[in-house]
Amino acid sequence: AQSVTQPDIHITVSEGASLELRCNYSYGATPYLFWYVQSPGQGLQLLLKYFSGDTLVQGIKGFEAEFKRSQSSFNLRKPSVHWSDAAEYFCAVVRPYNNAGNMLTFGGGTRLMVKP
Amino acid sequence: KAGVTQTPRYLIKTRGQQVTLSCSPISGHRSVSWYQQTPGQGLQFLFEYFSETQRNKGNFPGRFSGRQFSNSRSEMNVSTLELGDSALYLCASSFTGMNTEAFFGQGTRLTVV
Repeated sequence: AQSVTQPDIHITVSEGASLELRCNYSYGATPYLFWYVQSPGQGLQLLLKYFSGDTLVQGIKGFEAEFKRSQSSFNLRKPSVHWSDAAEYFCAVVRPYNNAGNMLTFGGGTRLMVKP
Repeated sequence: KAGVTQTPRYLIKTRGQQVTLSCSPISGHRSVSWYQQTPGQGLQFLFEYFSETQRNKGNFPGRFSGRQFSNSRSEMNVSTLELGDSALYLCASSFTGMNTEAFFGQGTRLTVV
């Protein structure tokens, strides 16, 4: 069965500092990969996705992620964090098969806190 | 265009009761998925519907069921509620559910007392 690991449960960074959130997946083939963000009491907003092609993908709000097949990783980065980035971040995967539909498997999430 | 709409936003039910949650997908989207989010188990896939047919199902007991209507709106039902069913239930819609991104609603917060 596929699984997604986000090793860091909590991360605190200072405003203006750079950010990297880690995500590792376990799956036989390369799945489709996603990063979502969730503010308290809200739903999930898609930040970026990787299906194929260029391994560095750009998303919304200044986020980017790099897919590394050799490390089974899809880490999320931002060069300069803003206080409004404080939220919980989820990495997710889905099998790249037609019958997989939208059956996303999520990591446990990383809660980001931003210090002024 | 309007996003994914989930109703109601909040619910309080008593153990043993049943509950129905509703999800209206983005116009034109035919795939609707449901997820349960709890502090202990995180985000877990419940089921996915596409063109009124259940296409995928997660590992939940039969008390959890769903359906999709011809206009792609979906409902999920939980019978014989247990305290452990207290959670945020999220609905996601996408055009086909394949090679496309899923858009999430704000969720329904269910509290079982």
